[in-house]
Amino acid sequence: AQKITQTQPGMFVQEKEAVTLDCTYDTSDPSYGLFWYKQPSSGEMIFLIYQGSYDQQNATEGRYSLNFQKARKSANLVISASQLGDSAMYFCAMRESNTGNQFYFGTGTSLTVIP
Amino acid sequence: NAGVTQTPKFQVLKTGQSMTLQCAQDMNHEYMSWYRQDPGMGLRLIHYSVGAGITDQGEVPNGYNVSRSTTEDFPLRLLSAAPSQTSVYFCASGEQGLAGVSMAGELFFGEGSRLTVL
Repeated sequence: AQKITQTQPGMFVQEKEAVTLDCTYDTSDPSYGLFWYKQPSSGEMIFLIYQGSYDQQNATEGRYSLNFQKARKSANLVISASQLGDSAMYFCAMRESNTGNQFYFGTGTSLTVIP
Repeated sequence: NAGVTQTPKFQVLKTGQSMTLQCAQDMNHEYMSWYRQDPGMGLRLIHYSVGAGITDQGEVPNGYNVSRSTTEDFPLRLLSAAPSQTSVYFCASGEQGLAGVSMAGELFFGEGSRLTVL
């Protein structure tokens, strides 16, 4: 079974609008972390936001927030006030304690911001 | 701040040739890993290490070897290149998580190495 599932291969959003990128995960480990990365067309991987399984509140970093629904095993990324520079691939990832700290990545969502 | 340094950035090989992708980090991270990125498949873990002298296989280890003689370096060796190994390779490092406490500590990535096998 896939550890991380991103069901949206491509998304479009109007500039200045908010967008939600979906991510579901599969784990039985009570100790895990969820991460989002951005990969622009230049290819580098940029860390955006982290949510721990023990965190009580949803993580926020500037225009990025993580909608963490533990019971549903979802960790959706919300980007508010989209900018043209947000156009990129976005990857959700998970790390579990019981698999040697391995990071598992989803297949990514390509976001295009329309002016 | 160098962070994670990968070399070379581009390489073209012929089938059957061998080569080593170099990876070095200067952040004293215990955890290091190699991923390959192929279109539509995200990042797949090849090998990883949780400290000097310790390595383990990831999801797609066949055709690759690694070693970790120092904390800083984690080279990836292609033993006999095949066209199926044409990909973009990323090295990444990070701090270890603490089970029951926190799994925080993002991965820091190198810039990637684009490998083409003819």
